[in-house]
Amino acid sequence: KNEVEQSPQNLTAQEGEFITINCSYSVGISALHWLQQHPGGGIVSLFMLSSGKKKHGRLIATINIQEKHSSLHITASHPRDSAVYICAVGGSQGNLIFGKGTKLSVKP
Amino acid sequence: DGGITQSPKYLFRKEGQNVTLSCEQNLNHDAMYWYRQDPGQGLRLIYYSQIVNDFQKGDIAEGYSVSREKKESFPLTVTSAQKNPTAFYLCASSRAGTGGSREQFFGPGTRLTVL
Repeated sequence: KNEVEQSPQNLTAQEGEFITINCSYSVGISALHWLQQHPGGGIVSLFMLSSGKKKHGRLIATINIQEKHSSLHITASHPRDSAVYICAVGGSQGNLIFGKGTKLSVKP
Repeated sequence: DGGITQSPKYLFRKEGQNVTLSCEQNLNHDAMYWYRQDPGQGLRLIYYSQIVNDFQKGDIAEGYSVSREKKESFPLTVTSAQKNPTAFYLCASSRAGTGGSREQFFGPGTRLTVL
């Protein structure tokens, strides 16, 4: 069983829709990360959270430690949000353990 | 501007050749990491270094080697022993810390293709 599971794998939305991407993990963690990878391959960190909820612009990340589950929400989605969204949790070596990613495509 | 640079962006290698991927950071981070990304799979850890002159194997270190002679630099050599080296390679850095409790900053990546 993978330590980090994301769903859905692929997601197509119309501009303006509310989007939710889910992440479940099976290990104890100190923090959970949400990352964004654009078509060129570069990765940027969106959120790092260990409890509750964080918001940045139209992006909201929540985490439920007891249920080992996190969600990333995008409000009022836009074509420029099209990217791969990756959930990751801390590994024992200081590294991150990554999910396989969710490919989001927002159509105008 | 602070950040991480990787070079080259694209690299082509003939079978049997060693190649070295560059990773430099000016963020004054102690920790640096190399990850490999294959289609349909999550990033996997190749090597990591928490401090200068020290590094540790990750989950898929076979066929790779690294050095950490300077804080800013963490080059990765893909040797001929790596049986399937075609992949996208990402370098990352963070402040020292364990358990993934530090934000990681990523370079733009190097896409390696073996001909």
